[in-house]
Amino acid sequence: SQTIHQWPATLVQPVGSPLSLECTVEGTSNPNLYWYRQAAGRGLQLLFYSVGIGQISSEVPQNLSASRPQDRQFILSSKKLLLSDSGFYLCAWKPRDTGRTDTQYFGPGTRLTVL
Amino acid sequence: AQKVTQAQTEISVVEKEDVTLDCVYETRDTTYYLFWYKQPPSGELVFLIRRNSFDEQNEISGRYSWNFQKSTSSFNFTITASQVVDSAVYFCALKRAGTYKYIFGTGTRLKVLA
Repeated sequence: SQTIHQWPATLVQPVGSPLSLECTVEGTSNPNLYWYRQAAGRGLQLLFYSVGIGQISSEVPQNLSASRPQDRQFILSSKKLLLSDSGFYLCAWKPRDTGRTDTQYFGPGTRLTVL
Repeated sequence: AQKVTQAQTEISVVEKEDVTLDCVYETRDTTYYLFWYKQPPSGELVFLIRRNSFDEQNEISGRYSWNFQKSTSSFNFTITASQVVDSAVYFCALKRAGTYKYIFGTGTRLKVLA
């Protein structure tokens, strides 16, 4: 069966510090991968998605970046965090073969607080 | 343009009451997928159901049921005999076939009171 991991689970960082959040998927190959952000009490905002190694599509201009160094690894980074970067970050994956399912599955999330 | 509207921001019910969460979507595509996810206090989004645009058959899973009506562009979710454990934020989502992006509604917070 497939599983998705995210770490850390929680993170408190000062403004201006760097960020690295990691997401890995097990039990599948060539998944589509996604990063979402959810501000407190709000909906989901798509940040990045990736259809393959090194292929990243950005949805919103901001000080965040994403990388996919391996097939099942997706990393969210920032060189300098802003207060507005606080939120709940969710990684998700979708099977590459869309002939059978288009369902997206989510990881447990990382709660980031920037002080 | 595609859009998902969940007009109910928050709903409170007493345990054992039935409750319906509304979802209205907009798309010009003929082939698309609709989803419901549950987000409990722990934060993780849990997949509940996927519906294809060409399958309007309603579905029932235990206390959960979904009513898909293309004529009104709605995909409503009903919980029968609600329980405290149903308290969560519920998201409806839309995806066009052949694309990568999912369009989420803003969510409905359901509070089931004991």
